[in-house]
Amino acid sequence: DTGVSQDPRHKITKRGQNVTFRCDPISEHNRLYWYRQTLGQGPEFLTYFQNEAQLEKSRLLSDRFSAERPKGSFSTLEIQRTEQGDSAMYLCASSQSGGDEKLFFGSGTQLSVL
Amino acid sequence: DAKTTQPTSMDCAEGRAANLPCNHSTISGNEYVYWYRQIHSQGPQYIIHGLKNNETNEMASLIITEDRKSSTLILPHATLRDTAVYYCMVNNYGQNFVFGPGTRLSVLP
Repeated sequence: DTGVSQDPRHKITKRGQNVTFRCDPISEHNRLYWYRQTLGQGPEFLTYFQNEAQLEKSRLLSDRFSAERPKGSFSTLEIQRTEQGDSAMYLCASSQSGGDEKLFFGSGTQLSVL
Repeated sequence: DAKTTQPTSMDCAEGRAANLPCNHSTISGNEYVYWYRQIHSQGPQYIIHGLKNNETNEMASLIITEDRKSSTLILPHATLRDTAVYYCMVNNYGQNFVFGPGTRLSVLP
């Protein structure tokens, strides 16, 4: 079990640039979640997939954010035209759906927008 | 919005039991109580969960009141490595996990 891996670990970009993050879930897990976390706050839900279907998106997720999970395995989160307010830790988690599913998180991607 | 309330912070002496409370007065009958923790600069880590009965694993014990409106996470012998933010959540199948601000536990030497 290699756990959930995220890449890159850190990303520094200039305002207005596009960035893409990758998440590789635990292989047998069918659900994949994206969260965002700013300093001193708990993780904030962004979106989740069951297999390749995106089942829910937070209403807080602007149209500059898009996520994909094309083959039901790894996922990418893209942010277009980054803003300074996008600076945060982006966390990915995976789980196996069920009545008492447990999320397993990656170490996150720390984004800094200058 | 989070369906739970927790104290903002707590201290515990090393080697003593840490008891972290959580209120979830609006919990529904089929919602589980979950606890996660987050050590600085890492992703949250699953600790334990339960529905009605008390639960124990290698990390902690979970005590759920009979009316299920509150619970307590117990770390029986806290160490300095248990210093973290602890999140209590309730969740049911098909819902996404909603994190609140959690309890910042400081284990003091």
